[in-house]
Amino acid sequence: GAGVSQTPSNKVTEKGKYVELRCDPISGHTALYWYRQSLGQGPEFLIYFQGTGAADDSGLPNDRFFAVRPEGSVSTLKIQRTERGDSAVYLCASSPPQGGGTEAFFGQGTRLTVV
Amino acid sequence: AQSVSQHNHHVILSEAASLELGCNYSYGGTVNLFWYVQYPGQHLQLLLKYFSGDPLVKGIKGFEAEFIKSKFSFNLRKPSVQWSDTAEYFCAVKGGNNRKLIWGLGTSLAVNP
Repeated sequence: GAGVSQTPSNKVTEKGKYVELRCDPISGHTALYWYRQSLGQGPEFLIYFQGTGAADDSGLPNDRFFAVRPEGSVSTLKIQRTERGDSAVYLCASSPPQGGGTEAFFGQGTRLTVV
Repeated sequence: AQSVSQHNHHVILSEAASLELGCNYSYGGTVNLFWYVQYPGQHLQLLLKYFSGDPLVKGIKGFEAEFIKSKFSFNLRKPSVQWSDTAEYFCAVKGGNNRKLIWGLGTSLAVNP
């Protein structure tokens, strides 16, 4: 596709349930990022992949959050035992391999609501 | 720790007015600086970026920003806004060899026709 694709666009889940959020980056982009944006806030970094490996996962809030990118393309963000405080828009971005200054291209986000 | 501060949370302007949105960052080393825009219902899009060289950078849709290293600032400007500029504007910083972006809280701009 032409841009970063995230599915689903909206997800409502009950407290305590498990959810998976999917990100399909721009073809050829080796770097993939997950951010979380709460209402009235700027995006907050969660994790960054370079290829298949998580190069920086320092933003994951706790061990309920996990992300994978097994083939270096699509990534899945997994949240276990969801809590109401996890409600936010989860943003995925990708960037090409040209270097650290390259811009990130964002998807539309997945709005997660935990009830 | 790196941080980004955007001075204005909500700005209301009339069409043709000039715009300046403030952004200050906290980081001691080399930085890359970005302004992103989010139009209603759309994803974040890059307006402009600074990596090195001329501190005055020009972006899309008539926007520009000036990097003032001594002030740790990267303010966004547009001489004459349009109704279609109504959006949320975010300043972001990437420091050193880090790949992650540190974001400000955003500024909501409403332009009245």
